[in-house]
Amino acid sequence: DQQVKQNSPSLSVQEGRISILNCDYTNSMFDYFLWYKKYPAEGPTFLISISSIKDKNEDGRFTVFLNKSAKHLSLHIVPSQPGDSAVYFCAASDGFGNEKLTFGTGTRLTIIP
Amino acid sequence: ETGVTQTPRHLVMGMTNKKSLKCEQHLGHNAMYWYKQSAKKPLELMFVYNFKEQTENNSVPSRFSPECPNSSHLFLHLHTLQPEDSALYLCASSQDRDDRNFPFGSGTRLTVV
Repeated sequence: DQQVKQNSPSLSVQEGRISILNCDYTNSMFDYFLWYKKYPAEGPTFLISISSIKDKNEDGRFTVFLNKSAKHLSLHIVPSQPGDSAVYFCAASDGFGNEKLTFGTGTRLTIIP
Repeated sequence: ETGVTQTPRHLVMGMTNKKSLKCEQHLGHNAMYWYKQSAKKPLELMFVYNFKEQTENNSVPSRFSPECPNSSHLFLHLHTLQPEDSALYLCASSQDRDDRNFPFGSGTRLTVV
């Protein structure tokens, strides 16, 4: 039973437009959420995170939104650039320690020049 | 370069073989992790070592045997694997167990034939 779901395996967006990646979760005990980015032949790298006490966190072109009532978070990338083409993983945690992280299956984002 | 190095990058082994995966970090991190990524599945945590002590074994079959001889090196010993064990095996490290910005290695793509 997947507690963190990324229902869109892939997404294509025109360069310069907004990319919106979605993530849903089922465990109401999750209190910290993260996004990781993975290029082919490389490991995932941390991108941005948000605590459950917030509903938005921004870092440059990347913004994560959290809707606790809907158990939904999203990552917005604007404007999208070709270098953003990668697989994006959503992860959630329900306590102290990285062993508490639960990952989604990932969404492959392709930015079309 | 994330500072976490995994070797080999690719490995093909028979079901009766014994092989080892190696992970190395010289970031001064105290925690190291093994993850498994199978096709269309989320990243699954396998093992966690904190200050060279195993703190998590996520119900991993005994045909996978981790070893952490020092805080910079982590091994995953493999024996009598099954074809369904074919996956990408990722190593990660972090300063402490709660450091979410934890770098991953590029992974070992394992194929069991």
